[in-house]
Amino acid sequence: GDQVEQSPSALSLHEGTGSALRCNFTTTMRAVQWFRKNSRGSLINLFYLASGTKENGRLKSAFDSKERYSTLHIRDAQLEDSGTYFCAAEDGSSGNKLIFGIGTLLSVKP
Amino acid sequence: GALVYQYPRRTICKSGTSMRMECQAVGFQATSVAWYRQSPQKTFELIALSTVNSAIKYEQNFTQEKFPISHPNLSFSSMTVLNAYLEDRGLYLCGARDLGSAETLYFGSGTRLTVL
Repeated sequence: GDQVEQSPSALSLHEGTGSALRCNFTTTMRAVQWFRKNSRGSLINLFYLASGTKENGRLKSAFDSKERYSTLHIRDAQLEDSGTYFCAAEDGSSGNKLIFGIGTLLSVKP
Repeated sequence: GALVYQYPRRTICKSGTSMRMECQAVGFQATSVAWYRQSPQKTFELIALSTVNSAIKYEQNFTQEKFPISHPNLSFSSMTVLNAYLEDRGLYLCGARDLGSAETLYFGSGTRLTVL
């Protein structure tokens, strides 16, 4: 099965609200990165975590290697947050290879 | 800051022909470069991982004969899709990082390949 299970696949939020995306891993991962794919198709780095939590503005991410999951919390969502979000986990046993989740299509509505 | 420029952004090729895409790392040393493909309705799949001064490692279902990669220095990598067919269409991304000093993988903007 897939090593990185990302959910939900799609999410709709009203402006000002928040929610969380989650990635579960079937094996122990060394680190996780979160990206947002913008309207031009570019992958924008959001976070890199080897453990613990990081916060940047209205985004906060956590990674627990032992419990095999990572989350991305969005608060006070804005229209420009719309896009597809990906988590990608680093399988340290495979030479720094990143394994991507399926992505979450976030739509923020007025 | 660290940036990865990837070009072309879009390309269209006839079935059976080949196309080449390139990535340029700016602001850091790209000791490791990974090439990914996102096929329609799928997530990103790793094609191969290239580390300077090491052999390029291809994932299952991807071969050097089909996707030859060059990584001649710490700022440049290219990949060619040989004999492209319909199943090769998708978004190709290069991701690079400096294994010695940074963990974050920086991605280019991708090359969208359409095969006619």
